[in-house]
Amino acid sequence: QKEVEQDPGPLSVPEGAIVSLNCTYSNSAFQYFMWYRQYSRKGPELLMYTYSSGNKEDGRFTAQVDKSSKYISLFIRDSQPSDSATYLCALAESGGGADGLTFGKGTHLIIQP
Amino acid sequence: GAGVSQSPSNKVTEKGKDVELRCDPISGHTALYWYRQSLGQGLEFLIYFQGNSAPDKSGLPSDRFSAERTGGSVSTLTIQRTQQEDSAVYLCASSLGAGGPNTGELFFGEGSRLTVL
Repeated sequence: QKEVEQDPGPLSVPEGAIVSLNCTYSNSAFQYFMWYRQYSRKGPELLMYTYSSGNKEDGRFTAQVDKSSKYISLFIRDSQPSDSATYLCALAESGGGADGLTFGKGTHLIIQP
Repeated sequence: GAGVSQSPSNKVTEKGKDVELRCDPISGHTALYWYRQSLGQGLEFLIYFQGNSAPDKSGLPSDRFSAERTGGSVSTLTIQRTQQEDSAVYLCASSLGAGGPNTGELFFGEGSRLTVL
């Protein structure tokens, strides 16, 4: 079993829809949970960063962590065509240095205008 | 510039040739990482530098791959005797390094796209 599982998609939804992106993991030592967004032919950029369980909201984006289920989610409200990108979850046991950061394979999201 | 800079952005080479990929991290970032991204394979960790030393080389796929960092800044990733399976996007990232929340954030360059014919 891979450490981090993420559905590669593509996930195609109409503009304005609520999008749910998810990752599951097996290593209970993960404490830091991140979502990176990667546009085509660009490097990934950090979107959300959360520690331990709970929710974190930033504008249209909400990150949710359920450590008991080893399940993390990213919700996008009022999705826009500019949200079309690949979304990668990233998990770490420690918050410093980012060595040992484990990435999911990414979900390709398409928002249809 | 203010971001992570990588060169070349694209490289086409023949099988068996050596290639060098360069990364110039954000000024002041002590940690530097190389990842490889192949279609459908996600981000594969290659090597991590803290300053000039590389405490973790575990991700280098073979002894044809090597990397160095000098002056705590620029890093080069060298692939010797390239093979077709080396074709991928090689991404470099830098971060502030150890300690504290959000110091784990990686800032990525746009990558070097390598094609081995």
